Amino acid sequence: QSALTQPPSASGSPGQSVTISCTGTSSDVGGYNYVSWYQQHPGKAPKLMISEVSKRPSGVPDRFSGSKSGNTASLTVSGLQAEDEADYYCSSYAGSNILVFGGGTKLTVL
Amino acid sequence: EVQVVESGGDLVEPGGSLRLSCAASGFTFTNAWMNWVRQAPGKGLEWVARIKSKTDGGTTDYAAPVKGRFIISRDDSRNTLYLQMNSLKTEDTAVYYCALYSYGANTYWGQGSLVIVSS
Repeated sequence: QSALTQPPSASGSPGQSVTISCTGTSSDVGGYNYVSWYQQHPGKAPKLMISEVSKRPSGVPDRFSGSKSGNTASLTVSGLQAEDEADYYCSSYAGSNILVFGGGTKLTVL
Repeated sequence: EVQVVESGGDLVEPGGSLRLSCAASGFTFTNAWMNWVRQAPGKGLEWVARIKSKTDGGTTDYAAPVKGRFIISRDDSRNTLYLQMNSLKTEDTAVYYCALYSYGANTYWGQGSLVIVSS
């Protein structure tokens, strides 16, 4: 099972919005509404930010939102803040009880 | 408060074995599906294995690189998840995380346990 495709880097200034894409196939992202997004700061464990394409767990700021169109999912961070600088990973159920991750995107707040 | 705490990471020689443990608290472990996810140094996340709750059959699934070498198991009486790793290779070097899995997402993660496979 191939990994999902994410851009290696993204950036934005404080207050701006940035969108990170996650491209898969009809066998994973496009086939199921089980796309999730994780934030990971250096040396820390990943943290769930979005589940089931667009659901925000309790405690996650509403500046974070998720969506999906076809085989591509997206994470949008609005009103960028310094603490949003981190690595972001997408993940999708891929059928046959398999889970796949994207390669990760390093978000820089300029 | 939901907590999962991994332990057991170590330095092991290629071909060796190691067992990781993950102690869970703050949720009904018996009903939980659990994952192991790893991260090689400087690399991205990689799903390793999943075990369903016994209520849902207790079945296990593995990523292709570890199938036949790793075994995920659980002891519901101890609220503990395990990962038995055999025939270890240098490419298995990583931080191994256990995570509570629900509706297609890893909702809570431990702090990770470092496994180094090297001679």
